Amino acid sequence: DIQMTQSPSSLSASVGDRVTITCRASQSISSYLNWYQQKPGKAPKVLIYAASSLQSGVPSRFSGSGSGTDFTLTISSLQPEDFATYYCQQSYNTPITFGQGTRLEIK
Amino acid sequence: QVQLQESGSGLVKPSQTLSLTCAVSGGSISSGGYSWSWIRQPPGKGLEWIGYNHHSGSTYYNPSLKSRVTISLDRSKNQFSLKLSSVTAADTAVYYCASCNSSSWYWFDPWGQGTLVTVSS
Repeated sequence: DIQMTQSPSSLSASVGDRVTITCRASQSISSYLNWYQQKPGKAPKVLIYAASSLQSGVPSRFSGSGSGTDFTLTISSLQPEDFATYYCQQSYNTPITFGQGTRLEIK
Repeated sequence: QVQLQESGSGLVKPSQTLSLTCAVSGGSISSGGYSWSWIRQPPGKGLEWIGYNHHSGSTYYNPSLKSRVTISLDRSKNQFSLKLSSVTAADTAVYYCASCNSSSWYWFDPWGQGTLVTVSS
């Protein structure tokens, strides 16, 4: 199985901050990397697919980059609604695996 | 706009079989390029892919659950189902159904709202 490791596991930030979350794969996954946002009691919502493609309807303050084993999700200017848990997911092969999550909290 | 809705028993006894159904509206499960998926999340923990019925017609399961899982389609009802046998407390989780865009980069969207299944006697 491909292991996905996110860092940090939790993060405190303020509205307006620029935030970066990192995801590392245990082997090369090309650009088969997707990012999700999950709010308490809700299903995850896709933000970025194919490492850097913004899903329709997602604000442009979200961006993704990387290929191979190292990927980042960046939020350029945090908004109050962005405080949530973020997951990366590899789709290079099965079993599909997710990172352990990064909890983004208000400072 | 495709929407998914899970239904099924919220309480299952140990050693019994968990059964859930996902009704799809706003689109057809026979549409090409989509794989119909189940994902679960134990309380307070991360996401675990269970498996999917791939658009090719094959099913793919997480090896950690493969011996106990069946995912099947009911095209006449436009829904798909999950069966997980011999459950234990470790199978207590919120279960999500989701559509996987499997024509390209295999991302999950949309998702159902999730249903909590508790394994307890």
